[in-house]
Amino acid sequence: AQTVTQSQPEMSVQEAETVTLSCTYDTSESDYYLFWYKQPPSRQMILVIRQEAYKQQNATENRFSVNFQKAAKSFSLKISDSQLGDAAMYFCAYTALYNAGNMLTFGGGTRLMVKP
Amino acid sequence: DVKVTQSSRYLVKRTGEKVFLECVQDMDHENMFWYRQDPGLGLRLIYFSYDVKMKEKGDIPEGYSVSREKKERFSLILESASTNQTSMYLCASMFLQGNLYEQYFGPGTRLTVT
Repeated sequence: AQTVTQSQPEMSVQEAETVTLSCTYDTSESDYYLFWYKQPPSRQMILVIRQEAYKQQNATENRFSVNFQKAAKSFSLKISDSQLGDAAMYFCAYTALYNAGNMLTFGGGTRLMVKP
Repeated sequence: DVKVTQSSRYLVKRTGEKVFLECVQDMDHENMFWYRQDPGLGLRLIYFSYDVKMKEKGDIPEGYSVSREKKERFSLILESASTNQTSMYLCASMFLQGNLYEQYFGPGTRLTVT
């Protein structure tokens, strides 16, 4: 069974600084996707960034980038120039591309606090 | 924009009541999911459906059932609510085309069972 682990229940960062959230996963599949989702307080879960396992290049989306280490099964999220609006729960998630239903497996989440 | 809506943001029910949580998506997605979110545990899959009238158990189906009579609607049913089902429930629908995969979430229903 696939598992996703986020070892940091809480993190804090000073506004404008950079923070890295950690995620490790376990799978025997070769074709899969990894995701970071953001859930602001009392608001809808939204996709931050996606990484396809077959791509060697790390995904980037504006201030968000990932460090994907396939051999180590590690998938960290780096937030640069942190803003107050980045404060949220962040979930790392995995899906095997051809599994039945293509459901996501989530980590336990990291609560990010941004200090002004 | 894809919209996934859930019938209630907050719900309070009594132990033993039958509870219906409704989810509707407007993008003709085939796959829909119900997750339960608890602190420190992330989101756990209760049930999913990949077509009308088709359903599959997820990781924690005990105490729950689902219904998918129409493609756009996926309902979660608690036959006899218990206090350990107090949680946040998230519905999602999924789009998969080739290598493009996106999963969209509803706003969630926070259910309290007293």
